[in-house]
Amino acid sequence: AQTVTQSQPEMSVQEAETVTLSCTYDTSESDYYLFWYKQPPSRQMILVIRQEAYKQQNATENRFSVNFQKAAKSFSLKISDSQLGDAAMYFCAYSKLGKSTFGDGTTLTVKP
Amino acid sequence: DVKVTQSSRYLVKRTGEKVFLECVQDMDHENMFWYRQDPGLGLRLIYFSYDVKMKEKGDIPEGYSVSREKKERFSLILESASTNQTSMYLCASSLSTPGQRVGELFFGEGSRLTVL
Repeated sequence: AQTVTQSQPEMSVQEAETVTLSCTYDTSESDYYLFWYKQPPSRQMILVIRQEAYKQQNATENRFSVNFQKAAKSFSLKISDSQLGDAAMYFCAYSKLGKSTFGDGTTLTVKP
Repeated sequence: DVKVTQSSRYLVKRTGEKVFLECVQDMDHENMFWYRQDPGLGLRLIYFSYDVKMKEKGDIPEGYSVSREKKERFSLILESASTNQTSMYLCASSLSTPGQRVGELFFGEGSRLTVL
């Protein structure tokens, strides 16, 4: 079974600084998707960024980017110019054939 | 925008009661999922469905059942609620058609269930 590991239960960052959230996963598959989701306090979980495993280029979405290392099975999320609204729990997820496996989450605190 | 609506944000039930959690999505998604979210355990898949009247067990199906009579609606049923089922329950849907958003999950706001 696939597993997803987020080794940082909590992280904090100063407003306007950069932070990187770590994620590793285990799979024997070669074609799959990886996602980062954000869950603000008491609010709906939403997609931050996605990566197709067959693409070598790292995905970016405005201030959010990933470092996808397929051989190392690593998928970290970098948040640049952190904003107060980035404070949330972040989940890394592995998806294959429509079924997703999630990590335990990282709670990100943004300090003003 | 895709909307996934869960019928109840907060529920309080007693041990042994039958509990229904309803979920409706409005974007004609084929796939629907029920997850349970507990602190330190992430999201764990209870059941999922790839089509009407189809259901598959996830990682923690014990004590739960599901129903999908219509494409847009996916219900989670706790036949006899127990205190260890106190949790946040998240419904999600996704497309299965290959394309830009395949695999992406769209979540409801969650249903926080307390079993006394």
